[in-house]
Amino acid sequence: AQSVTQLGSHVSVSEGALVLLRCNYSSSVPPYLFWYVQYPNQGLQLLLKYTSAATLVKGINGFEAEFKKSETSFHLTKPSAHMSDAAEYFCAVRGNFGNEKLTFGTGTRLTIIP
Amino acid sequence: NAGVTQTPKFRILKIGQSMTLQCTQDMNHNYMYWYRQDPGMGLKLIYYSVGAGITDKGEVPNGYNVSRSTTEDFPLRLELAAPSQTSVYFCASSSHQSSYNEQFFGPGTRLTVL
Repeated sequence: AQSVTQLGSHVSVSEGALVLLRCNYSSSVPPYLFWYVQYPNQGLQLLLKYTSAATLVKGINGFEAEFKKSETSFHLTKPSAHMSDAAEYFCAVRGNFGNEKLTFGTGTRLTIIP
Repeated sequence: NAGVTQTPKFRILKIGQSMTLQCTQDMNHNYMYWYRQDPGMGLKLIYYSVGAGITDKGEVPNGYNVSRSTTEDFPLRLELAAPSQTSVYFCASSSHQSSYNEQFFGPGTRLTVL
């Protein structure tokens, strides 16, 4: 069974500073990994996905994530935080052998300090 | 495309009442899902469907029922509402034709049971 662990339920960074949101996964098969963002009172929106084509994945709004098999990690980063990045971020995993279901982490709420 | 739509947006129920949460997608996706989101818990899968007439239980199905008579619609039924069902409910869909099975989410239904 697959699972993901997001370290830090709340992260605060200053505007313009580096954003780093951590996600570690557990999977018995090569995983597909996703980061979703949820803005207040909205549904989830896909930020980026890892599908084994490249270990560094670029997503929308300047976010990127690097798949590190040796560390079983898929951390989300953005070089310079913007006020509009304030949201909740979810890491998710699914197996790539016909398992369509996603397993989500518990989420990290990102606050941007002006 | 409207994507995934959910109605109602908000609802307050009394204990023991029943209701149906509606979900419709216009992307011709085979797969559809119902999640509930509770603070600090991430998203938990309630039920899912891989096509019209086929449904299966997710992680937290107790107290809920679903049906899938058409590709577009996937209603979630709550019978005998309980305070533990107070949550935000999200419907999602994904395409069987996508290797990565990216899920598209609706805006959610906020349900309070008093």
